Amino acid sequence: GAGVSQSPSNKVTEKGKDVELRCDPISGHTALYWYRQSLGQGLEFLIYFQGNSAPDKSGLPSDRFSAERTGGSVSTLTIQRTQQEDSAVYLCASSHTSGAGNTIYFGEGSWLTVV
Amino acid sequence: KQEVTQIPAALSVPEGENLVLNCSFTDSAIYNLQWFRQDPGKGLTSLLLIQSSQREQTSGRLNASLDKSSGRSTLYIAASQPGDSATYLCAVLGGGADGLTFGKGTHLIIQP
Repeated sequence: GAGVSQSPSNKVTEKGKDVELRCDPISGHTALYWYRQSLGQGLEFLIYFQGNSAPDKSGLPSDRFSAERTGGSVSTLTIQRTQQEDSAVYLCASSHTSGAGNTIYFGEGSWLTVV
Repeated sequence: KQEVTQIPAALSVPEGENLVLNCSFTDSAIYNLQWFRQDPGKGLTSLLLIQSSQREQTSGRLNASLDKSSGRSTLYIAASQPGDSATYLCAVLGGGADGLTFGKGTHLIIQP
């Protein structure tokens, strides 16, 4: 597609359930990023992929969070045993490469509500 | 750890005014700085990207400057319009982080 596509756009889940959030980056973009935006907070960097590898996973908030990217394209962010504090907008972004001159393009986000 | 601060947090001005949004960052070892716009309930739209070797970038009524050594950037909006109402976010790449480090944004309202 023309832009970064995320699904679902909205998700309401019960506390303790697992959720999967999907990101389809712009075609040809090798760098992919996940961010979290909580109500009233700034954007928090979670993880980035260059191709299929994620050099640094230290931004993930806890071991309940994991992310993978296969085939150098689609990425999935998985949250296990969701908690209410996980409620946020999860934004995915991509860029041509991870170099300094590359504009980063964001998707519309997946709005997660844990009840 | 890189920290980004945006001032003011909110701004409301009449249509037609020129205005300046400020961004500062603590670690000057950045690769680039980007300004984004976020409309309510939407994702982020990139407005301008300034690489560390550049001093400014312009797009239409928007002009962004970068003073890397002092850790500052400004976004200048000329002849503001109601459609400019949004949250404007400043973000830097580098300074010890793998991804962009964002400020908390300036919530801008342009009154018709």
